[in-house]
Amino acid sequence: YELTQTPSVSVSPGETARITCSGDDLPKQFAYWYQQRPGQAPVLVIYKDTMRPSGIPERFSGSSSGTIVTLTISGVQAEDEADYYCQSADRSETYGVFGGGTKLTVL
Amino acid sequence: EVQLVESGRGLVQPGGSQRLSCAVSGFPFSSYCMHWVRQAPGQGLEWVSRIYKDGTRTNYADSVKGRFSISRDNAKNTLYLQMAGLRAEDTAVYYCVRDEDCNYFFDNWGQGILVTVSS
Repeated sequence: YELTQTPSVSVSPGETARITCSGDDLPKQFAYWYQQRPGQAPVLVIYKDTMRPSGIPERFSGSSSGTIVTLTISGVQAEDEADYYCQSADRSETYGVFGGGTKLTVL
Repeated sequence: EVQLVESGRGLVQPGGSQRLSCAVSGFPFSSYCMHWVRQAPGQGLEWVSRIYKDGTRTNYADSVKGRFSISRDNAKNTLYLQMAGLRAEDTAVYYCVRDEDCNYFFDNWGQGILVTVSS
């Protein structure tokens, strides 16, 4: 089972960045999104498709439609430049799975 | 404050063994499923293994099945990953991760430990 992400996204400060992730089991399993800055551990930014953990800025949001989930960052800031990974599980919950990651560049 | 601190030897020879430990604090360890996730240098994240709260059930990625073994000591608040038959492709930063609801919900991560498999 695989999750597929676009390798890179580039936006200017203040614009909206959309990062997508596709997988056949996404209609049956929740998706999660993690931000990873260089040299640091991943940080959860969206859980259960659309929920935002406490402490994560409101500009981060998640959505789901069929086999595609989307992480949206509205009003991108320079500090948002990082790698972003989607994550889920196979339908039998036997395996965890990550997307290949998307490098967000803030121009 | 939730804390997860990994430890272990950094350099292992090919074919060798290594046990990673993860000492946790700040939450009731026995109430949470736990995982190991790894990241090869310059690569993406890869889920490795899961263990249930009481240690009775475990799951493994195909890439490590039969070579790695996850375990836990709830009395010591410690998670383990026993690795054997190590290969160069096992070189990675290994993260200890808490699962909020035992359904692959990774809400807290350790800082990671680099394991290098090389002669």
